[in-house]
This record gives sequence, C-alpha cells and structure tokens, in this order.
Amino acid sequence: GAVVSQHPSWVICKSGTSVKIECRSLDFQATTMFWYRQFPKQSLMLMATSNEGSKATYEQGVEKDKFLINHASLTLSTLTVTSAHPEDSSFYICSARPGDYYSYEQYFGPGTRLTVT
Amino acid sequence: GQNIDQPTEMTATEGAIVQINCTYQTSGFNGLFWYQQHAGEAPTFLSYNVLDGLEEKGRFSSFLSRSKGYSYLLLKELQMKDSASYLCAVRRSGSARQLTFGSGTQLTVLP
Repeated sequence: GAVVSQHPSWVICKSGTSVKIECRSLDFQATTMFWYRQFPKQSLMLMATSNEGSKATYEQGVEKDKFLINHASLTLSTLTVTSAHPEDSSFYICSARPGDYYSYEQYFGPGTRLTVT
Repeated sequence: GQNIDQPTEMTATEGAIVQINCTYQTSGFNGLFWYQQHAGEAPTFLSYNVLDGLEEKGRFSSFLSRSKGYSYLLLKELQMKDSASYLCAVRRSGSARQLTFGSGTQLTVLP
C-alpha cells in the first residue's frame, strides 16, 4: 500500500529557532501534499496545500512567511516553522495524494510532534 | 465555508454496535470520508462515500445522504481496540480536493 513518511517524528527546539519537517511519499508520486496541524484533543486543521513545482496555497489565517512549504519533487515536501514560539507546539501531519486524478484517498504520514521551549 | 458537526464523546460496550453521526454544511461537496485516529498517531482511512447509500466494509459501514447533509459510521461487534477518535471529513470540490475535518468523536469501548 501507499506509504508516507515524516521526519523527524518528534523535535524539541528553542524559541526563536527554525525547524524543518520532511514529508515523503515512499512508493508513489504525489503531485499534491497537504500539511495539517493538530492541537491536543482537537481535530486536524488544514494549513496548506502543496503542489509540486509551484507555490503552496495557504488556508485563511495561516502565515505563509512563518510556515514555509517547499514541494521540490513528486515525492518530497518540506514544512519549515520559522522563528518558532511555544504556541507553535503541536502535532504536524502531512498527507499525500497520488497523481492519478481518479485516486480519492489521501495517505497520511505518522506525524511530527513539535515542542518549542 | 464548511461546517461539520459530530458528537464529542461516545461510550459503548465490547461486542455492541455504535453509530457515530456527522452532519455537514458545505459550499462544495465531493465526497465524505471517515478516519480512525489513535492518540498520537496519524489518521487511518476507514471509508469513503460520494453517492447516497450504505457502504459496508467488514465490521464498519458508512452511510451518506447528500440531500440531508448527513452521514454515519456504524461499528459492529465492538472490540477494545476500537477505542479511538473517529473523524468525519468532507472533501471540497475543486482540483486540489482538500479535506475539511470535523472535530472528531472520541469513542471509548468498555469491557
């Protein structure tokens, strides 16, 4: 089946530093990847839609200069949290959708737990 | 915009049947998904409905009524491992087909 990996699985960083999270589709090509954030006991909130070779589309209220997304290849998207603050501490999950137009599923990565101290 | 409602918590007994409801109001609809999520893990796909009716998949079934903006997930023969959060998600129309998730229903299965 389709597998999506994320790295790192968890990270602790100091306030003011930047953190990069990678999302890879291991056995399929993903023209579109999605980045979500999930706070404790809350649902997934879509942050942005990442398309290979073009700029990401951010949801309303998400700062594009703070959450930098790069989708440089059909199997890799990265999310960089710049100048992280404690309120950015959250569970970040990516998902990838195969390039086949008729594919309806998104395949989720295992998530990255970010803690900003 | 999109508004998706589901109960916050439900409790059921091992071996029983439980129905988790989801109502939605969307400006564009292109299918409804149900996911299971255990704490600290990524969601796993359970079902997908785009047409009205019931989709059955082993112990799990999902129903959709587009005219009523209503779906439910039916879990039969509950097991302890079914204790998890169940997320209803609506897929938007458009080329990117993003998902908008409901707040999730935390199901606790008791022995």
